[in-house]
Amino acid sequence: DQQVKQNSPSLSVQEGRISILNCDYTNSMFDYFLWYKKYPAEGPTFLISISSIKDKNEDGRFTVFLNKSAKHLSLHIVPSQPGDSAVYFCAAHTGANSKLTFGKGITLSVRP
Amino acid sequence: SQTIHQWPATLVQPVGSPLSLECTVEGTSNPNLYWYRQAAGRGLQLLFYSVGIGQISSEVPQNLSASRPQDRQFILSSKKLLLSDSGFYLCAWSPGTSSRRVFGPGTRLTVL
Repeated sequence: DQQVKQNSPSLSVQEGRISILNCDYTNSMFDYFLWYKKYPAEGPTFLISISSIKDKNEDGRFTVFLNKSAKHLSLHIVPSQPGDSAVYFCAAHTGANSKLTFGKGITLSVRP
Repeated sequence: SQTIHQWPATLVQPVGSPLSLECTVEGTSNPNLYWYRQAAGRGLQLLFYSVGIGQISSEVPQNLSASRPQDRQFILSSKKLLLSDSGFYLCAWSPGTSSRRVFGPGTRLTVL
């Protein structure tokens, strides 16, 4: 049973446009959500997070939106840059057992 | 500042051979340590985690084992590798029950 789902395996966007990466979850006990970015042959690096008590968190070009009723979150990158091309993992955390559950990832390609 | 090291970076092993991957963390004490695997077409799967020396929790039944002989050292092992053990292995740490994971550079394991 996959509790964190990233249903689109890939996304291609023109440089300068907006990238929207989606993530859905099934466990209503998740209270904290994170996005990680991963380049090939490297470990993932933390990008941005959001607590379940908020519906938006912004950091520069990156904004994460959380819709708890729909159990859905999304990462917006504006404007997209070629250096943003990477795999993006959505992850969800339950404070009760401090486990972090990852989705399968989305490969973002930003075309120059 | 904290750093996390993994070695080797790449490894090619025959089926049935043993495995030992090592991970060390610097600049922190009593970290939580984790082993993840990223297999082709799959997300980041948690294999083991440790909250202290000699304390190992296994998330999935498998051909692998983990040990924590020292506070900042985490080792992933196998007595006999299977083809299905191929993947990208990532060590990570977090302070206490923090939701964030800081990942190492990873080891690409190919079992032939």
